[in-house]
Amino acid sequence: EDQVTQSPEALRLQEGESSSLNCSYTVSGLRGLFWYRQDPGKGPEFLFTLYSAGEEKEKERLKATLTKKESFLHITAPKPEDSATYLCAAPGNTPLVFGKGTRLSVIA
Amino acid sequence: EAGVVQSPRYKIIEKKQPVAFWCNPISGHNTLYWYRQNLGQGPELLIRYENEEAVDDSQLPKDRFSAERLKGVDSTLKIQPAELGDSAVYLCASSREDYYEQYFGPGTRLTVT
Repeated sequence: EDQVTQSPEALRLQEGESSSLNCSYTVSGLRGLFWYRQDPGKGPEFLFTLYSAGEEKEKERLKATLTKKESFLHITAPKPEDSATYLCAAPGNTPLVFGKGTRLSVIA
Repeated sequence: EAGVVQSPRYKIIEKKQPVAFWCNPISGHNTLYWYRQNLGQGPELLIRYENEEAVDDSQLPKDRFSAERLKGVDSTLKIQPAELGDSAVYLCASSREDYYEQYFGPGTRLTVT
């Protein structure tokens, strides 16, 4: 069964305190690993797609990396406006599977 | 470029009543998705359209849910009759092709009382 597991469920950081979010997946026929950001009351906002192990992508303070079994979203020197839920998703041979997300709170 | 448009944004109905949600995808996006998101969970795919064809509806509760995408553009998701457990946010997304990055609308928050 295709599964996507995210950890931690919630993360509280001080402004400027770097950290990483984890997304582990067991998806057959993986066709990319997607990261989204979701603010309260809004739909998910696309951040990155990673297609192969070793691939990295960056956007402002975020960098996503991919291995054969997991992906990491690294947040460098976060700001309060980075507070949101971060979701990862993997399409395989079954419908797109989302993780439950990591709720990130960045405190000034 | 206009984003995915959904309406209504909020809906409160009594159980056993019907309800419908509407979605207008990004222009040129052939693939359209309907998701349901419960509080604290990731979105769960209900149905996926390639143009006007429903290519994946395995997780759509067909006894009470129906969907259509006439002319391969707008789409409507209907629930009849609604149950208390249907309370959730219903999200519509579109992508240029399947497995490409999806762009989501703001969702419709449904409350069934």
